[in-house]
Amino acid sequence: KQEVTQIPAALSVPEGENLVLNCSFTDSAIYNLQWFRQDPGKGLTSLLLIQSSQREQTSGRLNASLDKSSGRSTLYIAASQPGDSATYLCAVINGAGKSTFGDGTTLTVKP
Amino acid sequence: NAGVTQTPKFRVLKTGQSMTLLCAQDMNHEYMYWYRQDPGMGLRLIHYSVGEGTTAKGEVPDGYNVSRLKKQNFLLGLESAAPSQTSVYFCASSYRLAASYGYTFGSGTRLTVV
Repeated sequence: KQEVTQIPAALSVPEGENLVLNCSFTDSAIYNLQWFRQDPGKGLTSLLLIQSSQREQTSGRLNASLDKSSGRSTLYIAASQPGDSATYLCAVINGAGKSTFGDGTTLTVKP
Repeated sequence: NAGVTQTPKFRVLKTGQSMTLLCAQDMNHEYMYWYRQDPGMGLRLIHYSVGEGTTAKGEVPDGYNVSRLKKQNFLLGLESAAPSQTSVYFCASSYRLAASYGYTFGSGTRLTVV
């Protein structure tokens, strides 16, 4: 059974810092991995989708990497801003379309 | 550009009552999903549909029923609500297999069963 772990559960940083969020998974037979942002009381907004054949994806200040063999993905946020404060979730999806979500990392960026 | 719309956004039910949650998408997506989100449990798949007229069970289907009579709509029903069904419910859709295209989520329905 696939298990997805996101550590740390919560992170607080001062504005302007670069930071890395981690996502680990136990079964490397994944088809893709998707990073989401969730604001309090809101739905999930897709940030980046990485296919298993890719090593990384970039969107603005965000960069997501994927290492299937080690079962890890990282989400790098450059020059963090208070507006980046949210919970970040990763989801791994296998070839049959079955997805497993992590519990998320709650990020607080202090002005 | 509505994307995935869920109604209602909030609801309080008494134990034993029934209700239907509606999910509508305007992106012509084939696949639709219902998840529940609980603290410490992540998102868990309740039911899903791979096309109009089809439904299938997910990870936690007990106590729920679904219907997909129209491609754009996916309904989640609770026939006899229980306190254990207190949760935030999310609908999602994908163009085809999420493995290739990823998910688009709605904003959620917060349900409390008392």
